[in-house]
Amino acid sequence: EPEVTQTPSHQVTQMGQEVILRCVPISNHLYFYWYRQILGQKVEFLVSFYNNEISEKSEIFDDQFSVERPDGSNFTLKIRSTKLEDSAMYFCASAGLASTDTQYFGPGTRLTVL
Amino acid sequence: GQNIDQPTEMTATEGAIVQINCTYQTSGFNGLFWYQQHAGEAPTFLSYNVLDGLEEKGRFSSFLSRSKGYSYLLLKELQMKDSASYLCAVKEGNTPLVFGKGTRLSVIA
Repeated sequence: EPEVTQTPSHQVTQMGQEVILRCVPISNHLYFYWYRQILGQKVEFLVSFYNNEISEKSEIFDDQFSVERPDGSNFTLKIRSTKLEDSAMYFCASAGLASTDTQYFGPGTRLTVL
Repeated sequence: GQNIDQPTEMTATEGAIVQINCTYQTSGFNGLFWYQQHAGEAPTFLSYNVLDGLEEKGRFSSFLSRSKGYSYLLLKELQMKDSASYLCAVKEGNTPLVFGKGTRLSVIA
C-alpha cells in the first residue's frame, strides 16, 4: 500500500541554523500539507501546496518557513533560522484528486532545536 | 473558525465498547475525520463522515449529526493495541484539517 515517507526521522539542530525536512508524498496525489505537533499538544496546520504553489498557510508559517517541490516527487519544508519553539514533530500529508480527499500522514520528523 | 471539543482522557476495559464524542462549531462544514495516533507516531486515518449517519468499518464506527455539530467514534471489542489518542478533525470548505486536542484512550485488562 502506498505511503507517505519522511526523512530524517530525527533532526537535532542549533538555534539559528537552517533545517530542511523532506517528504515523498503518495505518487498520484496532488495536494500536499505540512503540519506540526508540539509535544503534548494538538496537530496544527502549517501550509498546503497544490499545483506548484502554496494554496493556504497558517499564521505559524511566517517568513522563516518555505516549501518547495523541487523534482516532482519530493516536497520539502525549510526553516531558515530555527528557534527553540520550533521543536516539534513535523508531519507531511498528501491527499488525492480533491482537496476534500482524505489526507494520509507520513511518520513525521522529530525536530529538536537546542 | 472552528472550535472542536473532545474529552481529554478515557479508560475502558479490554473487550468492551467505548464511545468518544466530538463536538464542533464551524461554518461551511465539509467533512469530519477521525484519526488514531499512537504516542510518537503519525495520525492514521480511521473514518470520514460528510453526511449524517453512521459509517461502519470493522470494529470502528463513526457517526455524524451536522445539525447538532456532533460526531462520535465507536470502538467495539476493545483490544490493548487500541490504547492511543483519537483525533477528531474538521474540514471547513477547502481549508486544511483543523484538529481537536485528541482523546487519550487507555484500554485496561
